[in-house]
Amino acid sequence: DAGVIQSPRHEVTEMGQEVTLRCKPISGHNSLFWYRQTMMRGLELLIYFNNNVPIDDSGMPEDRFSAKMPNASFSTLKIQPSEPRDSAVYFCASSFWVPGYTFGSGTRLTVV
Amino acid sequence: AQTVTQSQPEMSVQEAETVTLSCTYDTSESNYYLFWYKQPPSRQMILVIRQEAYKQQNATENRFSVNFQKAAKSFSLKISDSQLGDTAMYFCAFKGQGAQKLVFGQGTRLTINP
Repeated sequence: DAGVIQSPRHEVTEMGQEVTLRCKPISGHNSLFWYRQTMMRGLELLIYFNNNVPIDDSGMPEDRFSAKMPNASFSTLKIQPSEPRDSAVYFCASSFWVPGYTFGSGTRLTVV
Repeated sequence: AQTVTQSQPEMSVQEAETVTLSCTYDTSESNYYLFWYKQPPSRQMILVIRQEAYKQQNATENRFSVNFQKAAKSFSLKISDSQLGDTAMYFCAFKGQGAQKLVFGQGTRLTINP
């Protein structure tokens, strides 16, 4: 089992650019979550999917953020345009009807 | 809304000592799940231990055990015989039975000194 795979591990981009973060959940898991971690706000849930369908996106901070899950093995989180305050670690996690997630290694995003 | 509070931003102990990390939570639900996650410098979030609220017996995983006090809404983590590799941020988290969202505390930075 390769676990939850996120890419890239690090991303540095200029303000105004589009950023796409990628996630491959564990095979067979039916729920996928995107979290953001910052020093000030800790771990915040941005959005989660059940069976590829977005269920709760109330944590998405602005319209600049969007997430998709076109199939059971792939999800993206896109920020367009990016701003310096978007700098954070973005985690993807997946689960299968069992309380508790398996997290990916995260993407550290820096917007300069 | 549920909230999770970790009142110890930082802790430091000597190797081989026992350390206890505190966590309190607020909920009106009777059935729920509680978790402790470890985040070492590698950044990976690792599930350490899980407790179901309907179980009276405290969960244990090797050197890690919890003290779950449902009435007091308290969920502390005890690490016995601490090791250098236990150095990490530790997050307490809550999940309602009907929910899928994990609510995290702010974390406790634990340092194990040689």
